[in-house]
Amino acid sequence: DTGVSQNPRHKITKRGQNVTFRCDPISEHNRLYWYRQTLGQGPEFLTYFQNEAQLEKSRLLSDRFSAERPKGSFSTLEIQRTEQGDSAMYLCASSFSGEGSPLHFGNGTRLTVT
Amino acid sequence: SQQGEEDPQALSIQEGENATMNCSYKTSINNLQWYRQNSGRGLVHLILIRSNEREKHSGRLRVTLDTSKKSSSLLITASRAADTASYFCATRMDSSYKLIFGSGTRLLVRP
Repeated sequence: DTGVSQNPRHKITKRGQNVTFRCDPISEHNRLYWYRQTLGQGPEFLTYFQNEAQLEKSRLLSDRFSAERPKGSFSTLEIQRTEQGDSAMYLCASSFSGEGSPLHFGNGTRLTVT
Repeated sequence: SQQGEEDPQALSIQEGENATMNCSYKTSINNLQWYRQNSGRGLVHLILIRSNEREKHSGRLRVTLDTSKKSSSLLITASRAADTASYFCATRMDSSYKLIFGSGTRLLVRP
């Protein structure tokens, strides 16, 4: 079990640019989640996948945000035309399917939009 | 929007003392989980309590759940400096598999 891996760890970009983050979940896990966390707050749910199907998406996720999990393994989160308000920690987590299965989090990608 | 709200927002105690954190939530849940987060890191799962359970223990952790009051508490006994972290409750409703996190309690354990 190598844990959930996220890349890059840090990303600094200029407003208006597009960014893409990658998440490699624990290989046996079929659920994958994306959360966003700002300083001093709890993680906010963005979206989750069961295998390759995106089953739920937050209203927070504007049309500038898109997530994919093409083969049910790794996932990417893309933000188009970044804004300063997008600056946050983006966390990925994975789990088994059972209702009581805990989430295993990666260490996140910290995005700074200048 | 946050489903759970933790209280207090921040807590500072001496090593060896007990720390109690509370969580309130708004809607019916399937289960409630507690997570810990060290600064700049991801969250780590601590303990899960199901809606039909009232109390659960794991090592120095004790969790209670009162579904009539829509509240939970996390007790850490005999705290250590290494327990310094932020603690979050998270709830899962029957209608969804997503976890909704509260705003967290920042715990400082002074050596």
